[in-house]
Amino acid sequence: GNSVTQMEGPVTLSEEAFLTINCTYTATGYPSLFWYVQYPGEGLQLLLKATKADDKGSNKGFEATYRKETTSFHLEKGSVQVSDSAVYFCALSDLSGGYQKVTFGIGTKLQVIP
Amino acid sequence: NAGVTQTPKFQVLKTGQSMTLQCAQDMNHNSMYWYRQDPGMGLRLIYYSASEGTTDKGEVPNGYNVSRLNKREFSLRLESAAPSQTSVYFCASASFSTGELFFGEGSRLTVL
Repeated sequence: GNSVTQMEGPVTLSEEAFLTINCTYTATGYPSLFWYVQYPGEGLQLLLKATKADDKGSNKGFEATYRKETTSFHLEKGSVQVSDSAVYFCALSDLSGGYQKVTFGIGTKLQVIP
Repeated sequence: NAGVTQTPKFQVLKTGQSMTLQCAQDMNHNSMYWYRQDPGMGLRLIYYSASEGTTDKGEVPNGYNVSRLNKREFSLRLESAAPSQTSVYFCASASFSTGELFFGEGSRLTVL
């Protein structure tokens, strides 16, 4: 079956530091890849996505590139802010049996300190 | 634009009591999901509904039942609550074309 592996954290960074959260996956077929973010006390929301190999998703200064050769979708941001403190989930989705089958990583908690 | 709405947001139950979590989406999505989130466990799929009229077990279905009432609504029922079901529950629906999930705000359930 499909699986997603990401570092659990927590990750603690100072403001303006560079962020990388690693995500690797195993899947049959050609899944779409996602990063979701969960701010404290809220539900998950889409941060960025990529639907095919070599696509780069980007949003709010975050980027991730769909690397099929390394089965990875690492999340990066050049300069984090305190407001980026949240839990980040890597996920993949593929059409299986006529519906979107979604597999999540365990989530990585990011804390940014001033 | 409401998206996914789930109720209640908070609930406290005693062991053995029953309750139903309600979820509705207004995006005309076929697929809907119920997840639970526990510290250190990530998101775990309880049940899903690929389309109206169908439901299937996910990773952790024991102790739960679901009903896909119509295309909009997907409810989760705890027949006899147990402390192990203390968790935050999320309902979601999926865009068939992109695979993106849209989540509700969550329901925090405590079973004493």
